[in-house]
Amino acid sequence: DTEVTQTPKHLVMGMTNKKSLKCEQHMGHRAMYWYKQKAKKPPELMFVYSYEKLSINESVPSRFSPECPNSSLLNLHLHALQPEDSALYLCASSQDWTGGKNEQFFGPGTRLTVL
Amino acid sequence: EDQVTQSPEALRLQEGESSSLNCSYTVSGLRGLFWYRQDPGKGPEFLFTLYSAGEEKEKERLKATLTKKESFLHITAPKPEDSATYLCAVQEGSNTGKLIFGQGTTLQVKP
Repeated sequence: DTEVTQTPKHLVMGMTNKKSLKCEQHMGHRAMYWYKQKAKKPPELMFVYSYEKLSINESVPSRFSPECPNSSLLNLHLHALQPEDSALYLCASSQDWTGGKNEQFFGPGTRLTVL
Repeated sequence: EDQVTQSPEALRLQEGESSSLNCSYTVSGLRGLFWYRQDPGKGPEFLFTLYSAGEEKEKERLKATLTKKESFLHITAPKPEDSATYLCAVQEGSNTGKLIFGQGTTLQVKP
């Protein structure tokens, strides 16, 4: 099973709302990622978790708050977002990069619209 | 500075017309080069990993090759269903797991 699942598929929220994006994988991967993708641009890395610990934060604003409850789950908590945060949010996982195996498998994404 | 450049930005082919996409890179110590396919509004789909110069991988009509400076994705006798954006990414030498993506090549195959 090489599937990464994400919920919800679509999300519309106001600037004062609090919402969460969820990601799940059952491939036994120990690294999980959040990316943001704007139209006609490549994915832009936001956060990396390795063995359930945050290892990379690409200077993401604090209105985005990641959480890794266990090795299979990754959440992204959203609060007080701006319209420019509207994008496709992608979750990915990989076995581990230390052994050179960093094929990242992506989920289908959550299309976020901030009004 | 680590960099990945893909060309062309867009490519239109007739069905059956073979061609190649290019991904050139400058990184300090390549730990892997990855090709993905992305359909509009969907997440990237993993295609290939290449680790060392001279390595080749094939899948159906696609063949990826790697040299010390660039990678090619060869598409043989493409079909309309091959239409998508193809992304190249590299993992650089520092042990962070971070991928550096190119801007992508959008391929359109007309019947």
